[in-house]
Amino acid sequence: DIEMTQSPSSLSASVGDEVTITCRTSQNIRDFLNWYQQKPGKAPELLIYSASSLQSGVPSRFRGSGSGTHFTLTINSLEPEDFVTYYCQQSYSSPRTFGQGTKVEI
Amino acid sequence: QVQLVQSGAEVKKPGASVKVSCKASGYRFSGYYINWVRQAPGQGLEWMGWINPNSGDTNFVQKFKGRVTMARDTSINTAYMELSRLRSDDTAVYYCARDKVSGSPFYGMDVWGQGTTVTVSS
Repeated sequence: DIEMTQSPSSLSASVGDEVTITCRTSQNIRDFLNWYQQKPGKAPELLIYSASSLQSGVPSRFRGSGSGTHFTLTINSLEPEDFVTYYCQQSYSSPRTFGQGTKVEI
Repeated sequence: QVQLVQSGAEVKKPGASVKVSCKASGYRFSGYYINWVRQAPGQGLEWMGWINPNSGDTNFVQKFKGRVTMARDTSINTAYMELSRLRSDDTAVYYCARDKVSGSPFYGMDVWGQGTTVTVSS
């Protein structure tokens, strides 16, 4: 199985800040890496697929990058609704493992 | 609109089984794999497996083999996940989620059900 290491597990920021979340994989997964946002009590929502492609309807302040084993999600100019939890997930091979999650706190 | 609607919350005793349904609407059900993902209280997301609604083929995580059954009924556009021999650590919210691209697992899951809370308690 491909192991996912997502960091940090939590971070503190302010409205208007830029933050970066990192996801590393134990094997080369090319660009088969996705990012999800999860609000409390809700189902996750797809933000970024194929490492850097923005899902329809997602604001352009979200940006994904990386390939191989190292990936990042950058959120620039944080809005109040962005202070929630984010997960990476690899879709290169089964099982489609998730990272541990990053909670972005005010 | 495209949506997945799941069945309601369940409370089960240890050793029992639970069956969660996921009804699809707004798209061609047979064309997109359905995944099952669970989330224990206060924990992260755990991918359990998928079913191909067209063929009925399934693939799931080794830890669930022997306990999980994934099925579908194409006549009513519904997928099912049944987990047997329930334990307290199976207490979680169970989600179904559709692959973004028809027939391809590589591009993430773009449509999610609302989640079904399964509580296992004696």
